[in-house]
Amino acid sequence: AQTVTQSQPEMSVQEAETVTLSCTYDTSESDYYLFWYKQPPSRQMILVIRQEAYKQQNATENRFSVNFQKAAKSFSLKISDSQLGDAAMYFCAYRKGAQKLVFGQGTRLTINP
Amino acid sequence: GAGVSQSPSNKVTEKGKDVELRCDPISGHTALYWYRQSLGQGLEFLIYFQGNSAPDKSGLPSDRFSAERTGGSVSTLTIQRTQQEDSAVYLCASSTTGVMETQYFGPGTRLLVL
Repeated sequence: AQTVTQSQPEMSVQEAETVTLSCTYDTSESDYYLFWYKQPPSRQMILVIRQEAYKQQNATENRFSVNFQKAAKSFSLKISDSQLGDAAMYFCAYRKGAQKLVFGQGTRLTINP
Repeated sequence: GAGVSQSPSNKVTEKGKDVELRCDPISGHTALYWYRQSLGQGLEFLIYFQGNSAPDKSGLPSDRFSAERTGGSVSTLTIQRTQQEDSAVYLCASSTTGVMETQYFGPGTRLLVL
């Protein structure tokens, strides 16, 4: 079974600085999708960024980018120019095809003003 | 357009009672997923509906849990004879068909079993 591991239960960063959240996963598949979701106190899960495993180029969405290392099964999220509104729980997730998402345990990100 | 909606937002019930949780997916989304988020177990998959296909029930934790999706749209998750360990946030997500499609989540229902 696929598993996703986030080894950092909590992270903090100064406003305007850069922070990297770690994620590793285990799968025997070659085609799959990886996601980072943000969950603010409102509980709503919001997609931050996604990566298709067949693409070598790392995905980027404005201040958010990933470092996807397929051989190492690593998928870290970099947040540049951190803003107060970035404070939330961040979940890394794996999906094979149009199936269920498998989530990591989450990382709580605090932004210090 | 409107996002995924869930009701109620919060539900408090007594142990042994039955509860029904509702999910309205985004219009046109053929796939619907239920997940549970609890302190001890994190985020876990419960059930998945895709069009008229038989649902994937592999994540349901016990036979007290069931779900249906009427008319390919609204879904109801039912928990019978609730237990304290059922206390959690129940999240619903929907997506269009296709392996590339993103799952969009609702705000969840927080269930507390006393």
